[in-house]
Amino acid sequence: DIQMTQSPSTLPASVGDRVTITCRASQSISNSLAWYQQKPGKAPKLLISKASSLESGVPLRFSGSGSGTEFTLTISSLQPDDFATYYCQQYNTLISFGQGTRLEI
Amino acid sequence: EVQLVESGGGLVQPGGSLRLSCIASGFPFSTYAINWLRQAPGKGLEWVSYINKNSDNIYYADSVRGRFTISRDNAKNSLFLQMNSLRDEDTAVYYCAREGPSGPPVDCWGQGTLVTVSS
Repeated sequence: DIQMTQSPSTLPASVGDRVTITCRASQSISNSLAWYQQKPGKAPKLLISKASSLESGVPLRFSGSGSGTEFTLTISSLQPDDFATYYCQQYNTLISFGQGTRLEI
Repeated sequence: EVQLVESGGGLVQPGGSLRLSCIASGFPFSTYAINWLRQAPGKGLEWVSYINKNSDNIYYADSVRGRFTISRDNAKNSLFLQMNSLRDEDTAVYYCAREGPSGPPVDCWGQGTLVTVSS
């Protein structure tokens, strides 16, 4: 099984901040990495696929990078709507998720 | 509009069974692979099971293999999850989620249905 390690688990931040979330895979997954945003009581929303491809309609302040085992999600200037929990997901071999990063004020 | 609507959740005793359903609309269901995923209260996301469009490739997480069975009825745009020998740790919101038209990752989720296993 491929283990995904995401950090930090909680990230205090303010509107306008630039933030970065890191995700590490236990073995190489090439670029088979997605990022999701989840708000309380809601289903996750796909933000980024193939490590760096922004989904249609997702604001350009979101970006992803990395390949192999190290990946990052960056939000360039936090907006109030961005305070949520973010998950990385590998889909190279079945599916597994990181533990999540809660972005909080 | 692409929609996935789960149903069938509820309260069940340990050792009991439950059958979840997911009805799809707004896209050609028979051409998409579908997954079940779950999220325990206050916890992270966990993949449960996968079925491809023809039902000839099926996979399960170790935590549910031998107890859960995924199936689909393409004629009825429906996905199912038969859950047997339920345990306390199966308590979660269960989501059905579609993979993209070219394969993973999951790009569309239902709203979820809550399964509570408790005596």
